[in-house]
Amino acid sequence: AQSVAQPEDQVNVAEGNPLTVKCTYSVSGNPYLFWYVQYPNRGLQFLLKYITGDNLVKGSYGFEAEFNKSQTSFHLKKPSALVSDSALYFCAVRDTGTASKLTFGTGTRLQVTL
Amino acid sequence: DAGVIQSPRHEVTEMGQEVTLRCKPISGHDYLFWYRQTMMRGLELLIYFNNNVPIDDSGMPEDRFSAKMPNASFSTLKIQPSEPRDSAVYFCASSLGIGAFFGQGTRLTVV
Repeated sequence: AQSVAQPEDQVNVAEGNPLTVKCTYSVSGNPYLFWYVQYPNRGLQFLLKYITGDNLVKGSYGFEAEFNKSQTSFHLKKPSALVSDSALYFCAVRDTGTASKLTFGTGTRLQVTL
Repeated sequence: DAGVIQSPRHEVTEMGQEVTLRCKPISGHDYLFWYRQTMMRGLELLIYFNNNVPIDDSGMPEDRFSAKMPNASFSTLKIQPSEPRDSAVYFCASSLGIGAFFGQGTRLTVV
């Protein structure tokens, strides 16, 4: 079975500071990993994905994530946070050896303040 | 492409009534997923289809829930009879196999 853990319900950061949203995963094979963002009353929007290759993945809006196989982590990062980044962030995983089912974490609310 | 389109955006119904949620996936995508989001349980996968065929419905909570995909451009999720605990946001997503693109969701309130 595949699973995702987002250990922080909320992350608070001041605008201009770097941010990290944590994610760890568990799969039986090799993972496909994703980050999505959800703004209030909206659907989930795709931010970035790791499929294979370079462990540092760059995505939309200046976000990036680093795949760490030994730590089974895929933390989301941004060098300089914006107030407009405040939203709910979901990490998701899919086992490459199984069908296309995506399993999501419980989400982390990012609050960026002035 | 307009993305994944869901209707209605909001639905308020009385307990015991039948509710039908609709989804039009992105053209060309061969996977379609139905998710439910609640504060208590987060995002739950209810069912997904590949090439219009249901692959995994293990997340469907009860027999009151059913989903169909009669063709590649349309799917429905039906709840009959509805109960207050079904109140949630229901998302449809489509995919070419690796990631997924989500619709705006249907906010269902059962009173």
